[in-house]
Amino acid sequence: GQNIDQPTEMTATEGAIVQINCTYQTSGFNGLFWYQQHAGEAPTFLSYNVLDGLEEKGRFSSFLSRSKGYSYLLLKELQMKDSASYLCAVRVLLSGNTPLVFGKGTRLSVIA
Amino acid sequence: NAGVTQTPKFQVLKTGQSMTLQCAQDMNHEYMSWYRQDPGMGLRLIHYSVGAGITDQGEVPNGYNVSRSTTEDFPLRLLSAAPSQTSVYFCASSFRGQAISGANVLTFGAGSRLTVL
Repeated sequence: GQNIDQPTEMTATEGAIVQINCTYQTSGFNGLFWYQQHAGEAPTFLSYNVLDGLEEKGRFSSFLSRSKGYSYLLLKELQMKDSASYLCAVRVLLSGNTPLVFGKGTRLSVIA
Repeated sequence: NAGVTQTPKFQVLKTGQSMTLQCAQDMNHEYMSWYRQDPGMGLRLIHYSVGAGITDQGEVPNGYNVSRSTTEDFPLRLLSAAPSQTSVYFCASSFRGQAISGANVLTFGAGSRLTVL
């Protein structure tokens, strides 16, 4: 089976930095993704890691360690609009194909 | 471009009724998938397809059927609805090459909220 773990909820202050962790144990690994989902909306793509290390994209960075089955999403200079759920997803090996399997998501609340 | 279009947006069913959730994309994406999202459970993969005529099961396929007769359409059928199928359903698609390697940037539909009484 697939097991992807994230904290359920986090709260952070506007202007601060927050790190959202994700650990995974899956049948095969072919990339890790982060998606953002605002309440009542569809998820949107944030970042992708397939090799170990840090990927930076503006205020958002994502890190991957394949040997530890671990990733984190780092959000800097938090803004109120960053209040959303953040979904960690792993591309797994399943019946010869590689669909995307999601964790349960982390609900981030940004407060003033 | 319309992207991924899901219909209906809202639906209420009685236990035992059948219905089809429609999903259509106009981006020529080979890979299409259905997820359900429940509070505290995240997105769970129901079925997916890597091209016309090819479908496969995801994590929670029981109670759902799919078919892929064209590249554009990937309907999800509930043959006999149950209260446990009350959920928000998302259809998502991408190019098949992206589904195998590289950044699999799924494009999601707006979602269909289904209530089974």
